[in-house]
Amino acid sequence: TQLLEQSPQFLSIQEGENLTVYCNSSSVFSSLQWYRQEPGEGPVLLVTVVTGGEVKKLKRLTFQFGDARKDSSLHITAAQPGDTGLYLCAGDEGWSGANNLFFGTGTRLTVIP
Amino acid sequence: EAQVTQNPRYLITVTGKKLTVTCSQNMNHEYMSWYRQDPGLGLRQIYYSMNVEVTDKGDVPEGYKVSRKEKRNFPLILESPSPNQTSLYFCASSWDGTPYEQYFGPGTRLTVT
Repeated sequence: TQLLEQSPQFLSIQEGENLTVYCNSSSVFSSLQWYRQEPGEGPVLLVTVVTGGEVKKLKRLTFQFGDARKDSSLHITAAQPGDTGLYLCAGDEGWSGANNLFFGTGTRLTVIP
Repeated sequence: EAQVTQNPRYLITVTGKKLTVTCSQNMNHEYMSWYRQDPGLGLRQIYYSMNVEVTDKGDVPEGYKVSRKEKRNFPLILESPSPNQTSLYFCASSWDGTPYEQYFGPGTRLTVT
C-alpha cells in the first residue's frame, strides 16, 4: 500500500486568509490529482498535475507538483466559505504499468465567514 | 447529463446476507473502480476494471467481488457481508483505461449489523 500523507488533517481559518495544504509520499507518481469532497457527495476532481515542477492555477487555487513527482501542494488565496470541504490528493503509478490510484487521508478545511 | 449512478444510496443489512451495489456510467468510460471510505483511513481502492471483462484487485479486495460484463456497469458484490465492511462506498469512472481524472458517484452508505 502506497502512503500519501496530507497535512494538516484539519484546518479552520477566517474568510480572506491564505492557506497551503501538503501531500507527501516516498513514491514517485505518474500523475497527482486533487479532489474536493463535500458532505454527502463523491469527490470532484479539481486538477491533475503530471510534470515534475508543474504549477497549475484554478482561480484562487494554485497547485504544484514537486520536481521529483513525490509531493504536491495546494495553495488557496483569500479563502471563502465556499472553499469549505475535504481536500484529497491521489497519485497513480501508471509509469510502472499499475492502474490503481492511491488517496491521501485528506485535509478537512473550514472557512469561517 | 454525464454521471455515475449508484444504487442503493443507503443500505442496512445483516451479517452473511449477500448484497449487490450497482454502479452505472453514461459517459462511455473505459475505466471503472470501487472505493471504500472510512474515517482516518481515507479512500481505499477495492477493485478496478480497465475495460470490459478485465478486472483487477485494488488495495482492499478481500470480501468483495466485481464483474464487468458491459462497459457501462460495474456492480460490487458482497457474498457474505461482515460488520467490518460497514463503510461508505464510491464507484468511479474515467475515460481511458487508467485512473486518470475520475468521475465519482454519490456514494452508498452500507451498514452491516
